[in-house]
Amino acid sequence: TQLLEQSPQFLSIQEGENLTVYCNSSSVFSSLQWYRQEPGEGPVLLVTVVTGGEVKKLKRLTFQFGDARKDSSLHITAAQPGDTGLYLCAGEGDKIIFGKGTRLHILP
Amino acid sequence: EAGVAQSPRYKIIEKRQSVAFWCNPISGHATLYWYQQILGQGPKLLIQFQNNGVVDDSQLPKDRFSAERLKGVDSTLKIQPAKLEDSAVYLCASSLYQRSTDTQYFGPGTRLTVL
Repeated sequence: TQLLEQSPQFLSIQEGENLTVYCNSSSVFSSLQWYRQEPGEGPVLLVTVVTGGEVKKLKRLTFQFGDARKDSSLHITAAQPGDTGLYLCAGEGDKIIFGKGTRLHILP
Repeated sequence: EAGVAQSPRYKIIEKRQSVAFWCNPISGHATLYWYQQILGQGPKLLIQFQNNGVVDDSQLPKDRFSAERLKGVDSTLKIQPAKLEDSAVYLCASSLYQRSTDTQYFGPGTRLTVL
């Protein structure tokens, strides 16, 4: 059974700090996506990574796909209160699977 | 461009009752997904349609859950009879095709509470 483990589960930091959240698996994925979900809404796609070792940047967010395509990280530079939300990773293998998410809270 | 529409937004029922959810995907999107998101967890794929055909329903509890996508557009997800553990948010998503790199657009979800 394919699983995606996200860590940490919860993270509360001050505005302006940097942070990294992780998405790990023992399985290989053909692609991996990161989403952000706010209360009462569906997830919104942030990025898709496909190639092992790939790095993508979205403003202050940097996404990296592991060389073996089993893990990924999301780094946020100078976090802002607007970054608050649930960050989900999703991998496509035999089927699409989601991690449980990292709930991020940025304190002003 | 209109997003994915879902209704109702909220539903409260008693166990053993039936319930149905409706989803209208983005116009022209061939692929439609239904997910179950239990509180504190990530979405779990229940069923994936390509036009009006089923691509994957391996995680759909078929003894009580059913879904259809008539004419390859709108879709309904039904639970009959509901159990307490079915309490969750049911999310519908659509994408243009079914390639892994295609963007899935999610609706706001239907929050189901089973008492």
